[in-house]
Amino acid sequence: AQKITQTQPGMFVQEKEAVTLDCTYDTSDQSYGLFWYKQPSSGEMIFLIYQGSYDEQNATEGRYSLNFQKARKSANLVISASQLGDSAMYFCAMRERNFHNNAGNMLTFGGGTRLMVKP
Amino acid sequence: DAGVIQSPRHEVTEMGQEVTLRCKPISGHNSLFWYRQTMMRGLELLIYFNNNVPIDDSGMPEDRFSAKMPNASFSTLKIQPSEPRDSAVYFCASSSSTGNTEAFFGQGTRLTVV
Repeated sequence: AQKITQTQPGMFVQEKEAVTLDCTYDTSDQSYGLFWYKQPSSGEMIFLIYQGSYDEQNATEGRYSLNFQKARKSANLVISASQLGDSAMYFCAMRERNFHNNAGNMLTFGGGTRLMVKP
Repeated sequence: DAGVIQSPRHEVTEMGQEVTLRCKPISGHNSLFWYRQTMMRGLELLIYFNNNVPIDDSGMPEDRFSAKMPNASFSTLKIQPSEPRDSAVYFCASSSSTGNTEAFFGQGTRLTVV
């Protein structure tokens, strides 16, 4: 079963508007972390925002916010006031304990969403 | 810190040759991850280490792939023999394993097997 699901392969948004990128996850662990990364066309992976499973407040970092709904196991990324430079692939990721041997924390990624910002 | 350093940045090799990808994690980080990225399969976790010990290698596609971490500052991913379907971008990432901290990625190695 997929651990991280991003159902939107591609999305368009008009410049200066807000956009929400969906992410749902599957874990039976109580303690886990959720991350969003951006991958522009140059290929590097850029960390954007983090949400801990015990955090009660939604995480925010500048124009990025994470809409965390624990009961629904969703961690959507909201980008406000989109800019042309936001055009990129966006990946949702989860870090959880390795259940097989209870050692370390594995970090797995969803399939990504390609966001295109229109001028 | 210079960040996670991967070498080479690009590698073109012939089918059947051995390929070795290298990674130097950020100093002080004790978790290291190897990922493979392709258009078809996205970003796949191949293997990860904690304190230089391989924790989970269930993502390694087959016996042709092997990874080592002889010390805290160096890891290798080896493919022997290489095949055209191994062509991909291979990323190394490192993080602290204390708490849920983000992983920092290297620039990746673009491997082409012809």
